Amino acid sequence: QVQLVQSGAEVKKPGASVKVSCKASGYTFIGYYMHWVRQAPGQGLEWMGWINPNSGGTNYAQKFQGRVSMTRDTSISTAYMELSRLRSDDTAVYYCARETTSSYMSAGLDYWGQGTLVTVSS
Amino acid sequence: EIVLTQSPGTLSLSPGERATLSCRASQSVSSTYLAWYQQKPGQAPRLLIYGASSRATGIPDRFSGSGSGTDFTLTISRLEPEDFAVYYCQQYDSSPRTFGGGTKVEI
Repeated sequence: QVQLVQSGAEVKKPGASVKVSCKASGYTFIGYYMHWVRQAPGQGLEWMGWINPNSGGTNYAQKFQGRVSMTRDTSISTAYMELSRLRSDDTAVYYCARETTSSYMSAGLDYWGQGTLVTVSS
Repeated sequence: EIVLTQSPGTLSLSPGERATLSCRASQSVSSTYLAWYQQKPGQAPRLLIYGASSRATGIPDRFSGSGSGTDFTLTISRLEPEDFAVYYCQQYDSSPRTFGGGTKVEI
């Protein structure tokens, strides 16, 4: 069965960087785009960007341009999201999510990781 | 950037009742690229509807989606106890792939 398993919670100081991993299993990793979505405490969902695991190509939300980097290691079916120059308002649960397709068109984010809480505090 | 506005913010209903949730876009969204998600406390979101009206795998037929252009609707025909949650719409017609602010369906 499809599973996305994320790395554990992190506590970081303002100005630091965090790298969250997302290990995929149960499907062909390079066949599906991987997205990253975050959710601040008590708030809604915020889309951060995607990576094409096959080519390594990325598309980031402009809000995060210059601070976010999404990479992958196809040998271990793992995607990564690194966010730098952390601020207190980056405190959130970060999710990876697989984008599925239907008839060769995008069909939403059908599998999600369990989430990784990143706390930014001095 | 396409802004999605969901209404109402909170919907107070009883089991067995019908729920109608709205998602309005700031500019036209291809109906091919509008999805709905359900999220329960402490859990990751779950895909309910994609392409505005297609149910995702394993989603009960009491959930239905409709709409086009700038107005989309998620309908839950008869609320079950497990349906009380927060619902989000998302457009994936253009980048950034924005989410609405959510509608909480509560008892």
